Amino acid sequence: QVLLQQSGPGLLKPSQTLSLTCAISGDSVSTNRAAWIWIRQSPSRGLEWLGRTYYGSKWYNDYAVSVKSRITITSDTSKNQFSLHLNSVTPEDTAVYYCARLFWNKKGPDYWGQGTLVTVSS
Amino acid sequence: IVLTQTPLSSPVTLGQPASISCRSSHSLVHSDGNTYLSWLQQRPGQPPRLLIYQISNRFSGVPDRFSGSGAGTDFTLKISRVEPEDVGVYYCMQTTELPWTFGQGTKVEIE
Repeated sequence: QVLLQQSGPGLLKPSQTLSLTCAISGDSVSTNRAAWIWIRQSPSRGLEWLGRTYYGSKWYNDYAVSVKSRITITSDTSKNQFSLHLNSVTPEDTAVYYCARLFWNKKGPDYWGQGTLVTVSS
Repeated sequence: IVLTQTPLSSPVTLGQPASISCRSSHSLVHSDGNTYLSWLQQRPGQPPRLLIYQISNRFSGVPDRFSGSGAGTDFTLKISRVEPEDVGVYYCMQTTELPWTFGQGTKVEIE
């Protein structure tokens, strides 16, 4: 059974950096059988894929165009976790953020974190 | 790729079928020949949950009253007999082409 446990602050001020971590149990962040992804959900934008990281002889990252200039996804193999960093946040970044696993042989997000509500407000 | 779901709301009677359509702006057939269209269920207050992947494959533990079909740009999720626990919002999602995208969601509620 794969479990994803999210952690990170829920309240930020404009211009700060959003940092969330997703701790993995039951799988390895460096597996070559899955990608690890971040998705957010807000009433105005619905579900929005933000980016992915995966290992395949080296680390790869892909990001949504809407956040590409502000986003970084990192992985920590020693702690078996991956993290989302989104800088220069504005109130438009207010959303519930989810981490998830996408197994390559399904290419559907099969395990999800519990979600973190992040509010950006001055 | 834009995914358009219809209807946006589906009031159904318990025990009756429900059907949700997802239409893509582009073909979802990948260069490897597979079609990466998934269906997710989101119950109130919970993260989304994978129901169906690659058009018609049920994920582990998903009841067989859920089925998926379609090809190319047109896909359908069917619930053969709606149960109380099926209340929620259903999303289609494509992972054929970056950026991965979602439909806007269809709310299934009991009449």
